[in-house]
Amino acid sequence: QAVVTQEPSLTVSPGGTVTLTCGSSTGSVTSGHYPYWFQQKPGQAPRTLIYDTTNKHSWTPARFSGSLLGGKAALTLSGAQPEDEAEYYCLLLYSGPSVFGGGTKLTVL
Amino acid sequence: EVQLVESGGGLVKPGGSLRLSCVASGFTFSNAWMTWVRQAPGKGLEWVGRIKSKTDGGTTDYAAPVQGRFTISRDDSKTTVYLQMNSLKTEDTAVYYCIRLGATGLWGQGTLVTVSS
Repeated sequence: QAVVTQEPSLTVSPGGTVTLTCGSSTGSVTSGHYPYWFQQKPGQAPRTLIYDTTNKHSWTPARFSGSLLGGKAALTLSGAQPEDEAEYYCLLLYSGPSVFGGGTKLTVL
Repeated sequence: EVQLVESGGGLVKPGGSLRLSCVASGFTFSNAWMTWVRQAPGKGLEWVGRIKSKTDGGTTDYAAPVQGRFTISRDDSKTTVYLQMNSLKTEDTAVYYCIRLGATGLWGQGTLVTVSS
């Protein structure tokens, strides 16, 4: 089973920009892994922000965007807001079991 | 309303069994690939397994820690997906979510399973 890696923690200033990444132990992440990004706030169920690398849901704030960057999946937050402080998880789909990353705790400070 | 509602969680002893249910509404369930995800207390998300739609073969995949102990099934007439959990271990203690990935991006509210003597 593959291992998916994320930064354990990142800090961004209010109004600033930050990029979270998601790598795979099997090699470069591609659109064929259909990268997902989820946001989870304390005491809440996760919610999906990005699917299939770049696609947003109707509830996804416009300041979030997904991409592929340097062989990894990436989630970029442009213009961080205090309410964006949360845990962020990526998910990669493989031909067998899918795998979540360990999560990135994002602090807006 | 588009939603997923899990049920069936509770307290079970190590070695015991439990069946979780997830009732879907608001979308064409028979076309949906459904996934189970869990989250142990204070830990990250863990992919548990997935069942494809019957038109796509209805096959299942499981994460290594649950392979051979957990079984996912579906009843399209009841718009319900199940997670049968056998030979439960203390490390299976978690909130279990059913989700639909893709453009729907839907999560249930989760159901807590506690495995303890």
